[in-house]
Amino acid sequence: AQSVTQLGSHVSVSEGALVLLRCNYSSSVPPYLFWYVQYPNQGLQLLLKYTTGATLVKGINGFEAEFKKSETSFHLTKPSAHMSDAAEYFCAGRNFGNEKLTFGTGTRLTIIP
Amino acid sequence: NAGVTQTPKFQVLKTGQSMTLQCAQDMNHEYMSWYRQDPGMGLRLIHYSVGAGITDQGEVPNGYNVSRSTTEDFPLRLLSAAPSQTSVYFCASSYSIGGKRANYGYTFGSGTRLTVV
Repeated sequence: AQSVTQLGSHVSVSEGALVLLRCNYSSSVPPYLFWYVQYPNQGLQLLLKYTTGATLVKGINGFEAEFKKSETSFHLTKPSAHMSDAAEYFCAGRNFGNEKLTFGTGTRLTIIP
Repeated sequence: NAGVTQTPKFQVLKTGQSMTLQCAQDMNHEYMSWYRQDPGMGLRLIHYSVGAGITDQGEVPNGYNVSRSTTEDFPLRLLSAAPSQTSVYFCASSYSIGGKRANYGYTFGSGTRLTVV
């Protein structure tokens, strides 16, 4: 069964600083992994996804994530934070052959001017 | 395309009342699901469906019923609302694993904020 753990329920970074949001997964088979962003009072929007192939995945709004099988991690990064990045971010995963998507508990990102 | 449409956006219920949360998608997605979002708990799966006529329970199904009579619609019913069901509810859909674009991820609706008093 797939499970996803997000380290840090709240992360604050200064505008222009590196953003790093952590996600680890546990799975007996290679997973599909996703990052979603949720702006206040809105639904979830897909940022990026890893399925197969290249382990460094680029998404929208300058975000990227790297799948590291040896570390069972899929951390989300952005080189330079912008005020508009303030939101809640969810890591999610599912196993090949299983439609169900399992979510982490979310990380709220605050950008300090 | 409208994507995934949820209605209503907001609802206040009294304990014991019943209601149906509506979800419709126009992308011909086989898979549909309902999640509830609570602070500090992320999104938890309530029920899901892999196609018309097929439904199954998720992680937190108690107090909720679903049906899937068409590919487009997947309503969620609260039979007797309780304060513990105060939450934000999201409907999501995707292509099935067997479909050509099964790895595209989920498309989410904008949510229904439900308060039970």
